[in-house]
Amino acid sequence: QVQLQESGPGLVKPSGTLSVTCTVSGASISSYYWTWIRQSPGKGLEWIGYIHSSGSTSYNPSLKSRVTISVDTPKNKLSLNLTFVTAADTAVYYCARNRGGSNRPLGGWGQGTLVTVSS
Amino acid sequence: DIVVTQSPDSLAVSLGERATINCKSSQSILYDSNNENYLAWYQQKPGQPPKLLIYWASTRESGVPDRFSGSGSGTDFTLTISSLQAEDVAVYYCQQYYSSPPYTFGQGTKLEIK
Repeated sequence: QVQLQESGPGLVKPSGTLSVTCTVSGASISSYYWTWIRQSPGKGLEWIGYIHSSGSTSYNPSLKSRVTISVDTPKNKLSLNLTFVTAADTAVYYCARNRGGSNRPLGGWGQGTLVTVSS
Repeated sequence: DIVVTQSPDSLAVSLGERATINCKSSQSILYDSNNENYLAWYQQKPGQPPKLLIYWASTRESGVPDRFSGSGSGTDFTLTISSLQAEDVAVYYCQQYYSSPPYTFGQGTKLEIK
């Protein structure tokens, strides 16, 4: 059974770059789509974007100018970078595996990692 | 972007009673070529990530109790819990994954015991 584990810096300063990693175990990253989602404290879910193991990506237009998702297939890891962060980017960041293609539901989620943007 | 709106925002139901949560999309998410509705339901308990319950609007995920069911088509969808159990207390989200991103979520419905 696939397991996903996010890890991040915990605290990022405003205008800095947020970097979160998702380590996948129990399955290969290859041939799947992987999605990043975030949840601000006490709020709902926001779809950030996805990546295929081939490297193709799609991003939420609201974040597109600041976000980069990448994949390291040999290490079975995904990465999310978000630049020029503000307090509004404070959230729990989740990675999840799509069930099938790019436009498919999210079948397995990591536990998430909280990233706080504050000086 | 497709806007997904859930109702109600919160709901209190007695144990053993039926709970119904609604989800409405701003445009049809029924794909004509395969006659599938591109809608999923997730359950999120406190301190946990969301868990997939239902996809294609009405297909139950493996291991999900059969008291959970999904229905609807086009723009209007419903998640029904036929007989509420204590462990069903959670926030429920619907998500559309139709066509092009972003694949938006509803705002969530908090389900509590009355």
